[in-house]
Amino acid sequence: DSGVTQTPKHLITATGQRVTLRCSPRSGDLSVYWYQQSLDQGLQFLIQYYNGEERAKGNILERFSAQQFPDLHSELNLSSLELGDSALYFCASSVGVIGPPNYGYTFGSGTRLTVV
Amino acid sequence: TQLLEQSPQFLSIQEGENLTVYCNSSSVFSSLQWYRQEPGEGPVLLVTVVTGGEVKKLKRLTFQFGDARKDSSLHITAAQPGDTGLYLCAGAPNAGNNRKLIWGLGTSLAVNP
Repeated sequence: DSGVTQTPKHLITATGQRVTLRCSPRSGDLSVYWYQQSLDQGLQFLIQYYNGEERAKGNILERFSAQQFPDLHSELNLSSLELGDSALYFCASSVGVIGPPNYGYTFGSGTRLTVV
Repeated sequence: TQLLEQSPQFLSIQEGENLTVYCNSSSVFSSLQWYRQEPGEGPVLLVTVVTGGEVKKLKRLTFQFGDARKDSSLHITAAQPGDTGLYLCAGAPNAGNNRKLIWGLGTSLAVNP
C-alpha cells in the first residue's frame, strides 16, 4: 500500500458520459498530480494541485478538469468522454510544490477507464 | 520537445541472467528517476540520479547517469522473477522543478524462472 488511494479501480462508461475519479494523497503530502497512461503515449502529466491551488498544467484537455479540496483529496472530472479517453489514470502525491530532486512521486494504483 | 527514449522496449530473459536497459535523450536533465511498475499498480520510485557520471546501487540494480546528463542506464545482475515489470525513466528538465517530469515509454521486462 503506497498510501495514495484512488477510487474506483475500474470504470466502464459510454461515450459522451461524465465521470469523476477520486484521489486521497499520502498523509502529509500537499501536492497531488494527475497522470494519464496509455500504451502508445506512456505517462502524460495532466495537472498538479498544491494545497488546494492549481500549480501546473500539462496536456490536459478542456473536457477534463480537476480540483483539490480542503482535506487535500482531489477529483479529476472527465466529460464528453470519447473512445480515445480509455486509459489508466494515476494520481501521485509529493510533499512539496516542487519537490527536491531526490523526492519522487508516490503513485496510487490507478483507475482503469474504459469508454465504450 | 524533450523526449526520453527507452530501449529495448521488451526484454524476456531467464532467471540468473544479467541485463541492461537504457534511457536516452538529446536534451540535458537536471535529474533523472527510475521507476518500476507492476501490472495493476502505479510506478514505484527506485532511484534518483542528479550528478553527471553518478552511479547508484540498489542491491542487484546499478543505475548510472551519463556524464552529460542526457542518458542513463539500469543494469540488473542475476535477474529474478520478482524483477519482472515495466521500468520507466523520468527526467526533470529544470533544477528544482520535477513537477513536469518527462517520461519514457518504458522497458517491459519478463524474467522467466
